[in-house]
Amino acid sequence: SAVISQKPSRDICQRGTSLTIQCQVDSQVTMMFWYRQQPGQSLTLIATANQGSEATYESGFVIDKFPISRPNLTFSTLTVSNMSPEDSSIYLCSVDYRNYGYTFGSGTRLTVV
Amino acid sequence: AQKITQTQPGMFVQEKEAVTLDCTYDTSDQSYGLFWYKQPSSGEMIFLIYQGSYDEQNATEGRYSLNFQKARKSANLVISASQLGDSAMYFCAMREDGGFKTIFGAGTRLFVKA
Repeated sequence: SAVISQKPSRDICQRGTSLTIQCQVDSQVTMMFWYRQQPGQSLTLIATANQGSEATYESGFVIDKFPISRPNLTFSTLTVSNMSPEDSSIYLCSVDYRNYGYTFGSGTRLTVV
Repeated sequence: AQKITQTQPGMFVQEKEAVTLDCTYDTSDQSYGLFWYKQPSSGEMIFLIYQGSYDEQNATEGRYSLNFQKARKSANLVISASQLGDSAMYFCAMREDGGFKTIFGAGTRLFVKA
């Protein structure tokens, strides 16, 4: 499986601002997945990012709030826009290796104050 | 619709003993995969073990084994000889083979006592 570098590892942001999270994979992959983990909760899929097409968002998540870029087969970004304290979560990118499970980035711990 | 249920919010186990973490699932698909992940306090997610719906043998990976009972739709994780480093959150997950989305259960926090 690949190695995924995710940054920043953590950030404290003011409400109303935006944060862009980056994930770099050390090999080419077709799909990347972005998850949110709210405090004490499980993982919820935000969107699936394919190279060369718009991301596919899950119910409850919209592009204006969570724009995603996928400029090539090794890189993706997730932006959390116009942040509020409710956006305080861990954000994780991942790649699916089917029977070998997901490989995850190390996560971004976001606190909005 | 897919669903994963983990009914144990927290579990305690004595070091060196075995522990079973429960997971039940619901799906209308015949072909699917079941996964377990570990999340230590550092927040990283670590893949532990995979079971395919057509696999006849229960999956094993070192001290981890998956007790798969298809008729009951359960996929319990068994950790043998618990170690202090096993203290973490454990998530059960499922992906239908025809799809790309993996869903996760609520998780079980395991505490290993010395």
